[in-house]
Amino acid sequence: AQSVTQPDIHITVSEGASLELRCNYSYGATPYLFWYVQSPGQGLQLLLKYFSGDTLVQGIKGFEAEFKRSQSSFNLRKPSVHWSDAAEYFCAVSGGSNYKLTFGKGTLLTVNP
Amino acid sequence: NAGVTQTPKFQVLKTGQSMTLQCAQDMNHEYMSWYRQDPGMGLRLIHYSVGAGITDQGEVPNGYNVSRSTTEDFPLRLLSAAPSQTSVYFCASSYSGAEANIQYFGAGTRLSVL
Repeated sequence: AQSVTQPDIHITVSEGASLELRCNYSYGATPYLFWYVQSPGQGLQLLLKYFSGDTLVQGIKGFEAEFKRSQSSFNLRKPSVHWSDAAEYFCAVSGGSNYKLTFGKGTLLTVNP
Repeated sequence: NAGVTQTPKFQVLKTGQSMTLQCAQDMNHEYMSWYRQDPGMGLRLIHYSVGAGITDQGEVPNGYNVSRSTTEDFPLRLLSAAPSQTSVYFCASSYSGAEANIQYFGAGTRLSVL
């Protein structure tokens, strides 16, 4: 069965600092990987995805993520965090043809001024 | 183009009451799904559908029914609400094929069962 682990429940960074959110997945074949962001009281917005090819993927809002098969990881990064990035971030995995997304439990990001 | 529309946004039920959460999409997506979100649990798949007339169970289907009579609509039914079903419910839709993995979410329905 596929699964996702986000080791950090809550992260606090200062505005302008760099950010890395960790994600580890478990899946028997090549996974499809996603990062979603959820602002308070809102639905989920797709930040970026990895299907195949270049292991460093660029997303919206200046985010990027790197797929590392050897480490079963798909960490999300941003060089300089803005106050508007405060939100909850979810990593998700699917198996391609089965369409079922499995989510991690989320990482809540707080940005200090 | 409204995307994925969920109604109502908020609902309070008493234990044992029934209700239907509505989900509609106007993107002609084949794949639709329902998730529930609970604190510290992330999102968990309740039911999904790969097309009109085809539905299947996800990770947490007990207590919920679905049907898919049209491409556009995918309602979620609670036949006898229980306090354990207090949650935020999200509907999502996507195209078929590999793109089916890119799911678009509605704004959610916040449900409280007393």
